[in-house]
Amino acid sequence: IVLTQSPGTLSLSPGEGATLSCRASQIISNGYLAWYQQKPGQAPRLLIYGASSRAAGIPDRFSGSGSGTDFTLTITRLEPEDFAVYYCQQYDNTSINFGQGTRLEIK
Amino acid sequence: LLVESGGGLVQPGRSLRLSCTASGFTFGDNAVVWVRQAPGKGLEWVGYLRGKAYGGTPEYAASLKGRFSISRDDSKNIAYLQMYSLKMEDTAVYYCSVEDLWGQGTLVTVSS
Repeated sequence: IVLTQSPGTLSLSPGEGATLSCRASQIISNGYLAWYQQKPGQAPRLLIYGASSRAAGIPDRFSGSGSGTDFTLTITRLEPEDFAVYYCQQYDNTSINFGQGTRLEIK
Repeated sequence: LLVESGGGLVQPGRSLRLSCTASGFTFGDNAVVWVRQAPGKGLEWVGYLRGKAYGGTPEYAASLKGRFSISRDDSKNIAYLQMYSLKMEDTAVYYCSVEDLWGQGTLVTVSS
């Protein structure tokens, strides 16, 4: 499964909302789609799993949605610490795949 | 807590074994995933080892199958990534993860 994220770079200001897209080349069964945030020099941080469930400690301004082949990560009211690279990830019984990432930068 | 170790500078064609040491939980009950990230690039799945309840068997990225091997020593609570016939394109930070817990990564540089 190939995951294509768009846009490649998103330039926004703090306080604005962000919508990040992840499209899969095949249907992702059971909603096995996750979203990660990565900041420079840090390990990825799990935000969303099962397409829409927030991981422990993740603020509710982060939400995930979608099914089948189209998934979305929405961030409402961007905080300065939200500017980072975001990856979607598909997982199943035999493999894991990552999208190429969306860079969210301060405008 | 997860801590990777064993990275460093290695010549092309050589082997290297990375370790992922867990503390605070029992490793064997969980799947352990290895992911790498080449300098300035995105995340790439390397492979994973299923938890004991699911047979403890591994899966690998197709492009790496045959050169990389994942194992686990439950008595020490350590998972390993054994890498053979290393290539320059294997240069990356290697992370291990269990569920939502990630290590800090260990850098492997393949260069002559």
